[in-house]
Parts: sequence; C-alpha cells; structure tokens
Amino acid sequence: GQQLNQSPQSMFIQEGEDVSMNCTSSSIFNTWLWYKQEPGEGPVLLIALYKAGELTSNGRLTAQFGITRKDSFLNISASIPSDVGIYFCAGLPLSGANNLFFGTGTRLTVIP
Amino acid sequence: DGGITQSPKYLFRKEGQNVTLSCEQNLNHDAMYWYRQDPGQGLRLIYYSQIVNDFQKGDIAEGYSVSREKKESFPLTVTSAQKNPTAFYLCASTPGDLGTGELFFGEGSRLTVL
Repeated sequence: GQQLNQSPQSMFIQEGEDVSMNCTSSSIFNTWLWYKQEPGEGPVLLIALYKAGELTSNGRLTAQFGITRKDSFLNISASIPSDVGIYFCAGLPLSGANNLFFGTGTRLTVIP
Repeated sequence: DGGITQSPKYLFRKEGQNVTLSCEQNLNHDAMYWYRQDPGQGLRLIYYSQIVNDFQKGDIAEGYSVSREKKESFPLTVTSAQKNPTAFYLCASTPGDLGTGELFFGEGSRLTVL
C-alpha cells in the first residue's frame, strides 16, 4: 500500500499552546482527511479536504490541502486537555477508490 | 442509536486457534471494512465488502477470512495462518463507496495471542 509520512510522531505541549502536524505522500491524492482517535476508541473524522489549496476550519482546528496534492497540514489552536489522542491523516487516491491510506499518526499529549 | 458494534472488546487466545471478531452496524450502510492497527503504524486494510455476498482483499488479507451474509454484519476470522495476529482490529462502514472519504468506525477489538 501507499505510504503516508506523518510528523511529528508525538508531541507534548502545554495547555493553551498551538499545535501543528503534517503529512506527506509520494503519490497524489484527490482527498485528504484528518481523523482523531481517543484511547480505546475508533477514529472519528475531524476535517475533510477535497480541493488542492483548500483551507478548512472546524472550530479550533484548521487543515490545508497542499497545492502539490502530496501533502496536508493540521493546526490546532489554543489546545485543551480533551485534544489528547492520536491524529491520523488519510488520503483517498482517486474518485471511486475503495481504500483510504492512513498516516502513522501523531500522538498528542496536553499538559494542564 | 445508530452505530457500529464490535465484540468482544478484548480477546485472549492461544497460538494456533482461530478467532472470530464480530462487527454489526445499524446505519444501513452498504460498505463495510476491516482494518488492523499496530502501535506506531497507520491503519491497514484487511478486507472490505461493498455489497452482501461480495468482499475483496485489502493490503494485508493473508491469514484472515470474512463473510458478508447480511448487510448489517461483517465478521472477521483471524486464522492460525496469520503469523502475527496480536493487534487492535477496527471495523468501519460507509453508506456507499468512499466518495467523501468518511469512514464510520466501531470501538475496536483488541486481540492478544499468547
């Protein structure tokens, strides 16, 4: 399967700080998505991006679909303790594809 | 409430035994998926099914089997042929194909083989 490189692998931050993480691929994707997984749960979709260059916000979360279509970024502003979890990027290669390719995840710890 | 139910949440088995993980959804979704999650790795697709009585292999299907006899149910069997079965298994569904990219996940089943 295709490899998505996600960084950083883990982050320890103080409550109130901003967070940035990114995802890169050697292949082009038509859709980029960001999921969050809390301990012992399945991932939940946070943001979906469907167009190169698109910048989309969901509350304190902002994500961008890179112009090259090979990368995406997620920012979390003013972090709070409930932001703790693993954040996964995911890419959908083309319309009608039957598999999402996931990044390796960024584990976020927020220190109160 | 609509959702995806996986059971059991935790399962311990001896090496060489087959294990079946249950996945049931009441979302009326056509497509269902099984993913495997290992520490520090992304989710990897094992099998998926877009309609009843049909399923396709994903990237890591070896040592696994599935069935899709009912729309609501997509059980996964981890066979003794799977060399490294200890992992967190996630079932997911979508209304149709992956057009929007949104997968709806269950809470997962953690399998430990002793």
